[in-house]
Parts: sequence; C-alpha cells; structure tokens
Amino acid sequence: GNSVTQMEGPVTLSEEAFLTINCTYTATGYPSLFWYVQYPGEGLQLLLKATKADDKGSNKGFEATYRKETTSFHLEKGSVQVSDSAVYFCALSSGAGSYQLTFGKGTKLSVIP
Amino acid sequence: SQTIHQWPATLVQPVGSPLSLECTVEGTSNPNLYWYRQAAGRGLQLLFYSVGIGQISSEVPQNLSASRPQDRQFILSSKKLLLSDSGFYLCAWSLSAGSLNYGYTFGSGTRLTVV
Repeated sequence: GNSVTQMEGPVTLSEEAFLTINCTYTATGYPSLFWYVQYPGEGLQLLLKATKADDKGSNKGFEATYRKETTSFHLEKGSVQVSDSAVYFCALSSGAGSYQLTFGKGTKLSVIP
Repeated sequence: SQTIHQWPATLVQPVGSPLSLECTVEGTSNPNLYWYRQAAGRGLQLLFYSVGIGQISSEVPQNLSASRPQDRQFILSSKKLLLSDSGFYLCAWSLSAGSLNYGYTFGSGTRLTVV
C-alpha cells in the first residue's frame, strides 16, 4: 500500500536558517506529491505540489523536487522566518481510482527570532 | 471559486452528549468529502469519506457516524460523546477520483473538547 514517511520533529531553527524537512514515500504507480502547511489553530493549506518525476513545486520561498529514483520529496527553504512556524505534512495520491491522499505524520517547525 | 465552510469553530461538550458538526462546499459539484481528526500533537486520522450522496465509507470503527444528505453537505455526528473524542476535526473536499492532482481543500477545523 501507499505510505509517507516524514522526519520526526519538532524542528527548531533560528530565523534566516536553511530548512530541510525530509519526506520519502512508497506507492504503486505514479503518484502526485504534495506538501501541506497547518498554522496554529487552523486547517491545512496546500503549500506546493508536483505531479511527475523531476517536477519542482514552489511557493512562498519553499521548494520540493519529485525524485522518483530516491522516492523522495524533501521540502526546503533557504531562509526561514518566524511566520513559517507551523506543522508541515507531506502527502501523496496514487492517481486515478484512488479516493484518498495518504499523509505523513507531520513535522512541527518552530522558528525563533 | 470553490469554498468550504465548517462550523462551529470551537465546541465544549459534556461526556454523553450528542454531537453534530457540519461542513458545506460551494462552487463545485459532486465533490469527494472527508472527515479527519487530529488529536493533540498527532497526525491526521481519516474518519470518513464520501463519493456521493448517501455514500459513506468508514475508516475507523468508533462511536462517530457521518452522513451526506446533500451533494455538498457532510455531517459528522455522535449520539454519546466520549472523552477520547476530543480533538481537532477537519473537513476536506476534492474533485472526483481521477483528478487527485489537485489535492484536497480543507476547512478551518472545529476544536472539540469533551469534558
């Protein structure tokens, strides 16, 4: 079956530090990959996505590249801000015929001034 | 544009009381609908999903139930709440199967505290 493994948090960084949150997956077929962000007390928002191998999703300074050879979709940001403090979820969909996204367990990021 | 509404935002209920959480979607037809629960400090747990009116699939057996009386309305219910039902409940929608490249859109969530 499908599964998503994220690095365990929490992750604490100083402002302007470089961020990497690792995500690897197991899936049948050719999944689409997503990163969602959940700010405190809110629902999840789609941050970025990639739908095929070697695609790079990007948004708000965050990037992730769909690496089929390593089955990974690591989230990166060059310089984090306090406002980036949130929980980040990696997810995949296995495409046609599947009704669900499979989510990782989430990684909590705290950015301190 | 599509929007999703979820209410109430917060709820405090005594043990043994009933529950009704409502979720509605606007701007799309025949969406797939989902209820998730997020316990404190933990990941997402899929509770129910629906691919059409009256069609409900349960992922986790428990004292909760879901109904879809209209195409864009999804309701989460319980007859008698337990302490363990406390958590953050999220509704989400997606396009129908075959279009999952668009991902899910989530509501803003309901914080339920059972006391």
